[in-house]
Amino acid sequence: DIVLTQSPGTLSLSPGERATLSCRASQTVSSGYLTWYQQKPGQAPRILIFAASSRATGIPDRFSGSGSGTDFTLTISRLEPEDFAVYYCQYYGGSPGITFGPGTKLDIK
Amino acid sequence: QVQLQESGPGLVKPSETLSLTCTVSGASINSDYWTWLRQSAGKGLEWIGRVYPSGSSSYSPSFKSRATLSVDTSKNQMSLRLSSVTAADTAVYYCAREEVGRFDPWGQGALVTVSS
Repeated sequence: DIVLTQSPGTLSLSPGERATLSCRASQTVSSGYLTWYQQKPGQAPRILIFAASSRATGIPDRFSGSGSGTDFTLTISRLEPEDFAVYYCQYYGGSPGITFGPGTKLDIK
Repeated sequence: QVQLQESGPGLVKPSETLSLTCTVSGASINSDYWTWLRQSAGKGLEWIGRVYPSGSSSYSPSFKSRATLSVDTSKNQMSLRLSSVTAADTAVYYCAREEVGRFDPWGQGALVTVSS
């Protein structure tokens, strides 16, 4: 089974700064099935990026995804106050191989 | 706009069966894949299973022996039953639409606590 590892566990930054979040897979995966979500307290996860680099509908262009193979990155170019949340990567490796990373908490410095 | 809403008891006794319903609006339950996930402090986000437009279902190996998913097309709903629950099944349960292995949108979630 593929295991996703996210780093750092917590990232403390200030509004206006750039955030770089990492998701590493335990083996090579297809980038077509790598997804990023944002979750705010008391809310369900919300899709941000699918197929590693495609923004979901309505997602601001300050969010971008990149990567291939085993290493993937979510970048937030300039942090807005509403961006402080927990971010998860997720991989679909065919049924039933769906896994989530443990998350990166992005909090205000 | 597709919306999903989970409903069901918030408290279930150990060894009993957890039952939740997901009501879908803005889309037909007969189209797309519909899935259940859960989130707990101990295990994070976990995929439980999905139902297909045909009404058949697929399960995570972790839940295959205890979970049953079903669809009620007349009510545009899908349901989750999870048997023999323990405290480890305490979690927020979500339903979501699944497309090409990704989940969007999600319901708001239903907290289920397993306790006597």
